[in-house]
Amino acid sequence: AQKVTQAQTEISVVEKEDVTLDCVYETRDTTYYLFWYKQPPSGELVFLIRRNSFDEQNEISGRYSWNFQKSTSSFNFTITASQVVDSAVYFCALSEASTGANNLFFGTGTRLTVIP
Amino acid sequence: DSGVTQTPKHLITATGQRVTLRCSPRSGDLSVYWYQQSLDQGLQFLIQYYNGEERAKGNILERFSAQQFPDLHSELNLSSLELGDSALYFCASSANLARSTGELFFGEGSRLTVL
Repeated sequence: AQKVTQAQTEISVVEKEDVTLDCVYETRDTTYYLFWYKQPPSGELVFLIRRNSFDEQNEISGRYSWNFQKSTSSFNFTITASQVVDSAVYFCALSEASTGANNLFFGTGTRLTVIP
Repeated sequence: DSGVTQTPKHLITATGQRVTLRCSPRSGDLSVYWYQQSLDQGLQFLIQYYNGEERAKGNILERFSAQQFPDLHSELNLSSLELGDSALYFCASSANLARSTGELFFGEGSRLTVL
């Protein structure tokens, strides 16, 4: 069965510090997709990134970067030079081709607080 | 703004009652998904509809039902409500399955409080 583990429940950093949010997943599918979503205090879920299981290339988008390692079943998310606006709950999610590429299984989330 | 509209934003009701949550997907999106976010269960997939037909079911209770109408909006019906049904209910939509990138666009959610 699929599973997504975000072991860090809460993280606090001081503004401008770098922070890495961990995500470990389990799946028996060979084709799967990994996602990160952000949930700011306003409550909506904002899509950040999607990764296919066959694409281990890391990605950088501005201050955000993602490290996908199949060998350790991890898909970690790093924010560099954190800002107060980054304060939110971040969810890692997994979907499997066999159960529907758009049916996401979410981790429990990591609450990030950036202190000014 | 994701383009997905959910109403109502907040709803307070009593145990045993029935409520209907409404969702309008992004223009052109054929798939609609319902998710429940509660403190004890986290974010859980409930059900998916594609172009009016049920496509996939997750952890949806028998007291809950959903449908997608010809104009593609969807409704989630929750009946015989219990205290534990209090949660934030999200609707999400995505493009045509054949062209889907797996990206879901979420609405702002409907917060249900059962007293």
